[in-house]
Amino acid sequence: DTEVTQTPKHLVMGMTNKKSLKCEQHMGHRAMYWYKQKAKKPPELMFVYSYEKLSINESVPSRFSPECPNSSLLNLHLHALQPEDSALYLCASSQVQRDEQYFGPGTRLTVT
Amino acid sequence: DAKTTQPTSMDCAEGRAANLPCNHSTISGNEYVYWYRQIHSQGPQYIIHGLKNNETNEMASLIITEDRKSSTLILPHATLRDTAVYYCIVRPPDFGNEKLTFGTGTRLTIIP
Repeated sequence: DTEVTQTPKHLVMGMTNKKSLKCEQHMGHRAMYWYKQKAKKPPELMFVYSYEKLSINESVPSRFSPECPNSSLLNLHLHALQPEDSALYLCASSQVQRDEQYFGPGTRLTVT
Repeated sequence: DAKTTQPTSMDCAEGRAANLPCNHSTISGNEYVYWYRQIHSQGPQYIIHGLKNNETNEMASLIITEDRKSSTLILPHATLRDTAVYYCIVRPPDFGNEKLTFGTGTRLTIIP
């Protein structure tokens, strides 16, 4: 299995909702990442987990809360988002933090 | 982080070699050059990386100049499926702080 899967593919949520994005990989990778990508812009790193511990937080607002329950799963919990948080959220994984990353297809989030 | 400069866009005829340049004049001796691409509506895809020597894999070749201030990604026989945004990234060497910082990339269009 060489895929990174993300669910849901699309999500529409209101500013008072709580939702979660899910990412899964079964390649035995020990580093996992969340990126945010606005339209026509490059991906921007949000969080890095290495061996299930948060390694990098790129000063992301607390309304985004990552969680790594085990080495195969990565969640991004969303609460009280703003319309400007609408974007494509990409998950990636790598063998370890310094290796090439494999990306999932992303979750397209719309905040209304 | 070392900054990269890439042309905003390029065209290439189908079946010809696509040569994508990247300048990274401030690269330090232990920083790797990575290439990723992002096909429309998909997550980024790892292509190749290198440090000093030229590299080749099933997707592409990477030519790094002797002074390491620039590199060229070569797609030997471009197809329509190679139409994508190509990102050249210099990865900082800080152990435990490795991360990819995407620039604006080159939008490559393969012309039939």
